[in-house]
Amino acid sequence: DAGVIQSPRHEVTEMGQEVTLRCKPISGHDYLFWYRQTMMRGLELLIYFNNNVPIDDSGMPEDRFSAKMPNASFSTLKIQPSEPRDSAVYFCASRDNVGREQYFGPGTRLTVT
Amino acid sequence: DQQVKQNSPSLSVQEGRISILNCDYTNSMFDYFLWYKKYPAEGPTFLISISSIKDKNEDGRFTVFLNKSAKHLSLHIVPSQPGDSAVYFCAASNEAGGTSYGKLTFGQGTILTVHP
Repeated sequence: DAGVIQSPRHEVTEMGQEVTLRCKPISGHDYLFWYRQTMMRGLELLIYFNNNVPIDDSGMPEDRFSAKMPNASFSTLKIQPSEPRDSAVYFCASRDNVGREQYFGPGTRLTVT
Repeated sequence: DQQVKQNSPSLSVQEGRISILNCDYTNSMFDYFLWYKKYPAEGPTFLISISSIKDKNEDGRFTVFLNKSAKHLSLHIVPSQPGDSAVYFCAASNEAGGTSYGKLTFGQGTILTVHP
């Protein structure tokens, strides 16, 4: 299995631009999670899905952030408009319905100038 | 409110010695605990876990101890190797139901450096 796939690995954009991060979970996993890692706040959960349905989006910082999961093999995290304080590493993770372990992708490093 | 805390930002150990990484939690509803290892420019990778019904779980050089009364867990690495140098995160899970189901709460991480 290829593991969780994220694209792009690096994104540099200007303030005000729209940013879309993509994630392909491990096949057969029912849960998908979006995290953000910063020096100040560590690893924080933004939103998670179960069977493509958003369960908890309380970690989404504000309305500029949105996430979708149109099918079991694809999810997007969108920031519109982006701001410099959104600069961070964004991770996607997935898990199955049995174990508690989550499996992380390599992350997308976002820089907003 | 930080429910999972790793109070040591960093730890330095000599190769061959024991590394002990600590983690404290405040939520008594947590019933499963995990350790993740993270190398630079990579995602966290699962290392070892323990259920709250146990007090010890061992996997090769890695052992996790759980003290429920103290709400404390620790990860022991024996013997430590230079390749173990990474950031280690502890995480906790509560699957009692509702929106907490499936979630992990992470600590801030401890940077482990193993010197040759």
